[in-house]
Amino acid sequence: DVKVTQSSRYLVKRTGEKVFLECVQDMDHENMFWYRQDPGLGLRLIYFSYDVKMKEKGDIPEGYSVSREKKERFSLILESASTNQTSMYLCASSLGVGGSETYNEQFFGPGTRLTVL
Amino acid sequence: AQSVSQHNHHVILSEAASLELGCNYSYGGTVNLFWYVQYPGQHLQLLLKYFSGDPLVKGIKGFEAEFIKSKFSFNLRKPSVQWSDTAEYFCAGYSGYSSASKIIFGSGTRLSIRP
Repeated sequence: DVKVTQSSRYLVKRTGEKVFLECVQDMDHENMFWYRQDPGLGLRLIYFSYDVKMKEKGDIPEGYSVSREKKERFSLILESASTNQTSMYLCASSLGVGGSETYNEQFFGPGTRLTVL
Repeated sequence: AQSVSQHNHHVILSEAASLELGCNYSYGGTVNLFWYVQYPGQHLQLLLKYFSGDPLVKGIKGFEAEFIKSKFSFNLRKPSVQWSDTAEYFCAGYSGYSSASKIIFGSGTRLSIRP
């Protein structure tokens, strides 16, 4: 079974702090993703990575950056946390670049609920 | 722009009622479609997926979905719901034309089951 783990389930930070959210997957997946989940808005893609050191902006990248130094680890960074970044953050991974069956199925971590005060 | 739409934001049913949750997608080409479920306090997990072949797809826990290409739809169904089906349901899709295997999610439908 694919396992995607996230470093914290709950996190409370203050406005202006730099925040690191870590995600690790153990199935040698090429693609990794960061989403935020807000009520009524579903999942919105922040950034994704299709290879080590490669990244692409998603739909809402403003205020965020990412790092992928190793294949299994994908970090989301909030350079200066703000209250409107209070949300549930979900990490996911998938096997590889699309087209073939199962390549696009995403496996999710348990999420990190971040509160910015 | 590619999109996935779920028009029902909150559905309330009694136990044993039949369920149908709507999902429409707006792009062409090869489509891969998914339904994910998120039970309270748990992470998202896959209910079922469609890649090709039989448009009627069966998933876990008695759920099924039908891919209707002419209607750009992939509705989720269950003939008789249980209280344990209370969860949020997300439709998602991948188009062969989108970049780097990015999946687009709908806004979700919250399902509440009255015991």
